Amino acid sequence: AQSVSQHNHHVILSEAASLELGCNYSYGGTVNLFWYVQYPGQHLQLLLKYFSGDPLVKGIKGFEAEFIKSKFSFNLRKPSVQWSDTAEYFCAVSRSGGYQKVTFGTGTKLQVIP
Amino acid sequence: SAVISQKPSRDICQRGTSLTIQCQVDSQVTMMFWYRQQPGQSLTLIATANQGSEATYESGFVIDKFPISRPNLTFSTLTVSNMSPEDSSIYLCSVEDLGAFFGQGTRLTVV
Repeated sequence: AQSVSQHNHHVILSEAASLELGCNYSYGGTVNLFWYVQYPGQHLQLLLKYFSGDPLVKGIKGFEAEFIKSKFSFNLRKPSVQWSDTAEYFCAVSRSGGYQKVTFGTGTKLQVIP
Repeated sequence: SAVISQKPSRDICQRGTSLTIQCQVDSQVTMMFWYRQQPGQSLTLIATANQGSEATYESGFVIDKFPISRPNLTFSTLTVSNMSPEDSSIYLCSVEDLGAFFGQGTRLTVV
């Protein structure tokens, strides 16, 4: 079974700082990778996803993530965070193929200080 | 992406009672998923619901506690039975469409 680990549980940054959130997964086969965001009081939203092709994927709101297969990693990055990025971020993985269940990491709470 | 509606959005229930949560999708989907997000924790998959067959439960979840119905390709229900305070959580319905998409969830508090 696949699993996901997120290294940072709580990150505090000042506005305009750069962000990198770590994510590693374990599964020997081909995977799909996701980052979700949950703003305070709101439901989960898909931020970006990787299925195949270019390992550097760009998502909404200036976020990007890079899939490094040799490291089983899919880290999330943003060059300059804003106060509105304060949220919880979840990395997730599923096996490739249709209708596969998604396994979530434990989440990273990001707090951006104005 | 699919639009998912869940009802109720929140409820406060007495221990020992049951609550049925409804999930409606605006398009036909083969599989629907039910997750639980306990306070301060990540999402845990409860079960996968296929239309016309029994739901498939993850380890630690049983049908007697979380019966699921899937009468057609756009609708599913999850019942939380014989509730205890430990069942207080957000319950989320999800569909997979090149990524998991979620409804707003049902925030359940058991007192």
